[in-house]
Amino acid sequence: GNSVTQMEGPVTLSEEAFLTINCTYTATGYPSLFWYVQYPGEGLQLLLKATKADDKGSNKGFEATYRKETTSFHLEKGSVQVSDSAVYFCALFIQGAQKLVFGQGTRLTINP
Amino acid sequence: DAGVTQSPTHLIKTRGQQVTLRCSPKSGHDTVSWYQQALGQGPQFIFQYYEEEERQRGNFPDRFSGHQFPNYSSELNVNALLLGDSALYLCASSYRDLRSTNEKLFFGSGTQLSVL
Repeated sequence: GNSVTQMEGPVTLSEEAFLTINCTYTATGYPSLFWYVQYPGEGLQLLLKATKADDKGSNKGFEATYRKETTSFHLEKGSVQVSDSAVYFCALFIQGAQKLVFGQGTRLTINP
Repeated sequence: DAGVTQSPTHLIKTRGQQVTLRCSPKSGHDTVSWYQQALGQGPQFIFQYYEEEERQRGNFPDRFSGHQFPNYSSELNVNALLLGDSALYLCASSYRDLRSTNEKLFFGSGTQLSVL
């Protein structure tokens, strides 16, 4: 089946620290991969995406590379800010079914 | 241009009652999907509507039903509410293009349903 496994949280870092949130997936075929962010009281916002192997998605200083050989899509940021505090979701898109399969989410807190 | 709008934002019901949640898609979008996000969990796909028909369905019981109107807006209905139905219900809209691998889903802010 199709599934996404994320690094368990919560994750707490100091401002300007390096961030990695691990994500691995299981899928039939070659799904597109996404990271979504959810700020308190809000819906999901697309952070970045990659549609094929070796693609790198990037946005707002965040990056993730689609690694088919390790079935991974780890999220990284070189220097986090307090405003990055949110819940991050890794997801894969199943084109035929036109639906997203999400991981369980990782809560990130950045302290000043 | 309004994005995806959902109503109401919060709702409190008791066990056994029925509830209707509403979603207006982003302008230009013709497909609406519904997701359930339980506390501390990732969203789970409930179903998707396109051309006023249910096209895909996740692993949810028949108590969950929906509708799409000619203007592409959608409703999610849940009958015989259980305590476990308490969750954030998210609506996502998109323009259906099966030729594309480039997903473009836009999410609303959700309806927080509490079942007491």
